[in-house]
This record gives sequence, C-alpha cells and structure tokens, in this order.
Amino acid sequence: GDSVTQMEGPVTLSEEAFLTINCTYTATGYPSLFWYVQYPGEGLQLLLKATKADDKGSNKGFEATYRKETTSFHLEKGSVQVSDSAVYFCALGGNTNAGKSTFGDGTTLTVKP
Amino acid sequence: NAGVTQTPKFQVLKTGQSMTLQCAQDMNHNSMYWYRQDPGMGLRLIYYSASEGTTDKGEVPNGYNVSRLNKREFSLRLESAAPSQTSVYFCASKPEGPNTQYFGPGTRLTVL
Repeated sequence: GDSVTQMEGPVTLSEEAFLTINCTYTATGYPSLFWYVQYPGEGLQLLLKATKADDKGSNKGFEATYRKETTSFHLEKGSVQVSDSAVYFCALGGNTNAGKSTFGDGTTLTVKP
Repeated sequence: NAGVTQTPKFQVLKTGQSMTLQCAQDMNHNSMYWYRQDPGMGLRLIYYSASEGTTDKGEVPNGYNVSRLNKREFSLRLESAAPSQTSVYFCASKPEGPNTQYFGPGTRLTVL
C-alpha cells in the first residue's frame, strides 16, 4: 500500500537557519504530494502541493519539488522564523474521488530566537 | 465561509459512556473524513465518506461508527468509550479529485 516516511524530529533551529525536512513515499500510480502545517492547538492546513513529477510547490518561503526518480518531496526554507514553529506533515493523495490521503508521522520544528 | 467546524472542542468521558462528535462543512465537498491524532503516530484514518450516503472503514475503525447525515454533516460516534480512545479527533473534507483536504480545529477527547 501507499506510505510516507518523514524525517524524524524534533528539529530545533535558530532563527534565519536553513531548513530541510525529508519526505519519501511509496505509491502506485501518480499521486499528488502535499505538505501540511499544524500550529499548536489547531487543525492541519495546506502549506504547499505538487500534482505531477518535477512540479515545485511553494508558499510563505517554503518550497518542495516532486521528484519521481527518487520518490521524494523534501521541504525547504532558506531562512526560518520563530513563527514557523509548528508540526509539518508530508502527505500523498490518491487520484480517486474518495481521495484518501496517506500522512507521514509529522516533524516538530522549533525555531529559537 | 466557516470551512469545517467541529463540536465539541473538548470532552471528558468515563469508560463506557457514549458520545457523538459532530462535523459540518459549508464548501459543498463530496468527501469527508475522520482521523485521530496520537503522539508519535501521525494521523490515522478512522472512517471516510466519498459521497452523501456512503461510508467506508479506514485504518482504525474498531470502536467507532459514523453517519453521513447529508452532504454537509459527518458525525462520529463512540458507543462505549475506552481509555484507548483518548486522542485528538479531526474531521476533514475534500472536493472531487486529487485535491487538498480541509481540516477542522479538532476535538480533544479524554476517556477516564
């Protein structure tokens, strides 16, 4: 079945540091790939997505590129802020209408001033 | 638009009690989902509904039932709560196709 493997956390960085959170997947077919972010006490919300190979999703300074050859969708940001502290989930979404998604276990990021 | 709303936000139950978690969305989405989130285990799908009138089991359905009351509402029922069901429960909805899921704010349930 489909699966998503995320870099284990927690990750602690200083403000303005470079961030990479690794995500690899296994899936049949051609899934869409997503990064969701969860701030404390809230539900998940979409951060960025990519729907086909070589697509780059970007939002709020975060980027991730859909790499079919390495089955990866790593999240990167050049300069993190304290406000980026959250839990980040990598997910893949099926192409059926039910569209069940498979989520990674989440990576907790803490950014210190 | 309110998006996805969930009630209640917090609940404490005793073992053996029953309750229903409510979820509603105002985005006219066909698909709706119930997840539980436990520390270190990410999100696990309990049940989902691809369209009004249909429901299917997810990864961890035991101990739960669901009702897709209409296109807007998808409720999750615990008939006899157990401490192992202490968790944060999220409802989500999605339009047709390989699209983003939209999540509610969650219900934090403690079973004593």
